[in-house]
Amino acid sequence: QTVVTQEPSLTVSPGETVTLTCSSNTGAVTSNYYPSWFQQKPGQAPRPLIYTTSNKHSWTPARFSGSLLGGKAALTLSGVQPEDEAEYYCLLYYGGAQVFGGGTKLTVL
Amino acid sequence: QVQLVQSGSELRKPGASVKVSCKASGYSFTAFAINWVRQAPGQGLEWMGWINTNTGNPTYAQGFSGRFVFSLDTSVSTGYLQISSLKAEDTAVYYCARDRVTNFDYWGQGSLVSVSS
Repeated sequence: QTVVTQEPSLTVSPGETVTLTCSSNTGAVTSNYYPSWFQQKPGQAPRPLIYTTSNKHSWTPARFSGSLLGGKAALTLSGVQPEDEAEYYCLLYYGGAQVFGGGTKLTVL
Repeated sequence: QVQLVQSGSELRKPGASVKVSCKASGYSFTAFAINWVRQAPGQGLEWMGWINTNTGNPTYAQGFSGRFVFSLDTSVSTGYLQISSLKAEDTAVYYCARDRVTNFDYWGQGSLVSVSS
């Protein structure tokens, strides 16, 4: 069974930089997994942030960036804002199937 | 503007069935696939599968075949998720999302399905 793993929780202070990662039990995550990232706040639908590793949507704030880092997909928030407190999910493509990570709860204190 | 508008909340008894709709507007319906995503209360997102809006061919994720059926009515730009033989564990918010080449760019607002006797 394919498992996609994210940090369960991270805590960061406003203005800091934080990196969330997304790994696969099948091996290193590459661009062939077309990693995408979503932000979800309580009671809301997921909001797409990043697709195909590092591409931003027109509404994605500049402080969000996607990359590959050490065999994982990564989402970096540079200069975290209080409104970035949310759950973040990655999604990986496995040749016809897609699997979400378990999510990272980002707390901004 | 692109919109995916889903049907409202549903309450069903165990063993019943439910059909959730996802009406698309603001783009060519057949240019993008429709995916379905489940989120149980307090849990993460779970990809259920997708339907090719050109051919109507569905693909189901592991664990979502049999009781779950994706369908379309292209004449009204709408996708449907039908769940039969409902169980308590089917209680969840169900989202539709359009995608092309793994880019899930627009999502519906979600439809809450509650299963309780």
